[in-house]
Amino acid sequence: RKEVEQDPGPFNVPEGATVAFNCTYSNSASQSFFWYRQDCRKEPKLLMSVYSSGNEDGRFTAQLNRASQYISLLIRDSKLSDSATYLCVVTHGNAGGTSYGKLTFGQGTILTVHP
Amino acid sequence: DADVTQTPRNRITKTGKRIMLECSQTKGHDRMYWYRQDPGLGLRLIYYSFDVKDINKGEISDGYSVSRQAQAKFSLSLESAIPNQTALYFCATSDNTGVGTDTQYFGPGTRLTVL
Repeated sequence: RKEVEQDPGPFNVPEGATVAFNCTYSNSASQSFFWYRQDCRKEPKLLMSVYSSGNEDGRFTAQLNRASQYISLLIRDSKLSDSATYLCVVTHGNAGGTSYGKLTFGQGTILTVHP
Repeated sequence: DADVTQTPRNRITKTGKRIMLECSQTKGHDRMYWYRQDPGLGLRLIYYSFDVKDINKGEISDGYSVSRQAQAKFSLSLESAIPNQTALYFCATSDNTGVGTDTQYFGPGTRLTVL
């Protein structure tokens, strides 16, 4: 089983649609959670961190469910510019509570927003 | 100027050749990483370095070696390239200042083809 799993999609949605991505992780010691965005042939860039209480950044909302070990990303009012691959990312801590700093990536979910 | 740079950006080489990929950063971060990305597999960690004297293997280090020449430079070598090392390679940096601050900043990537 992969440590971080995502539905690879692709998701094809019209402009203005709401779309949600889910991600599951297998390591219960996972400590930090992120969504990265990667445009075609470009480097990944941080989209947003995911906090236990859930967090929102404009049209983007991230949720974390530690009990079920899944993370979600909701995009409202999709724009053409949202077309990209969305990467679910987790890190693991150690007994001292300090993150190792190593990221484990899901394989990514492809989103295409069309006119 | 970009904070994380990689050279070369593209390279085509033959089986058995020695290849070095270089990464430089101006962010002043202690931590640097090398990943490879393959279609359907996401990004996988090859090696990472938490400071100049600290080098660690990632999940797929076989066939690779690294050198941390300075805080700002981290190079990846393929001693004898083979075709299944054809991939997109990313360098990344992070500045760990505490739990949950694992944001990584990626270079633009090096597309390597081994014939």
